[in-house]
Amino acid sequence: EPEVTQTPSHQVTQMGQEVILRCVPISNHLYFYWYRQILGQKVEFLVSFYNNEISEKSEIFDDQFSVERPDGSNFTLKIRSTKLEDSAMYFCASRETGQETQYFGPGTRLLVL
Amino acid sequence: QKEVEQDPGPLSVPEGAIVSLNCTYSNSAFQYFMWYRQYSRKGPELLMYTYSSGNKEDGRFTAQVDKSSKYISLFIRDSQPSDSATYLCAMLDSSYKLIFGSGTRLLVRP
Repeated sequence: EPEVTQTPSHQVTQMGQEVILRCVPISNHLYFYWYRQILGQKVEFLVSFYNNEISEKSEIFDDQFSVERPDGSNFTLKIRSTKLEDSAMYFCASRETGQETQYFGPGTRLLVL
Repeated sequence: QKEVEQDPGPLSVPEGAIVSLNCTYSNSAFQYFMWYRQYSRKGPELLMYTYSSGNKEDGRFTAQVDKSSKYISLFIRDSQPSDSATYLCAMLDSSYKLIFGSGTRLLVRP
């Protein structure tokens, strides 16, 4: 069964460093999402992406964040200068055209020290 | 008022019990309602989704939506220890982003 994959599974970084989180969505899906979950809190929406453009972003998704689809299979989330409060699980999700259901990857656990 | 409210639990039941998990929401425009299961430190896994009001059954799981009360439920029959996880309700808004509840932690005791 096709699934969303994410790498790395864990990332530890120093405050102020740049990180890139990678996702491979399900191959025939064209809608992509990033969500995050701070420990003990709700899963919250960051950004949606379609046709090489951001469709919508939350207020969390400030200028320090960017997304890119560098090739036909990968979808990345970059945090330019990490802050302590960026420590969270980051989930990628994808959705097929005409369908409502989003399928989530296993997540990347980011720890900013 | 929060958009989606869900009792965080934990909810502890004996094996074989019927489990009822619930969420309330405030936005009457929501049309699609999802239930995800999340094991510790894993990604949310889609269990069921329903459109508008009504019931939907899949094996031991039944999802119920009452739009007039803005209330959704997930019932698990004959609960198993492997059902122990956090259950997240989520609603799809008009821009197709998911709005999640805080999750209910379920423990099924053998």
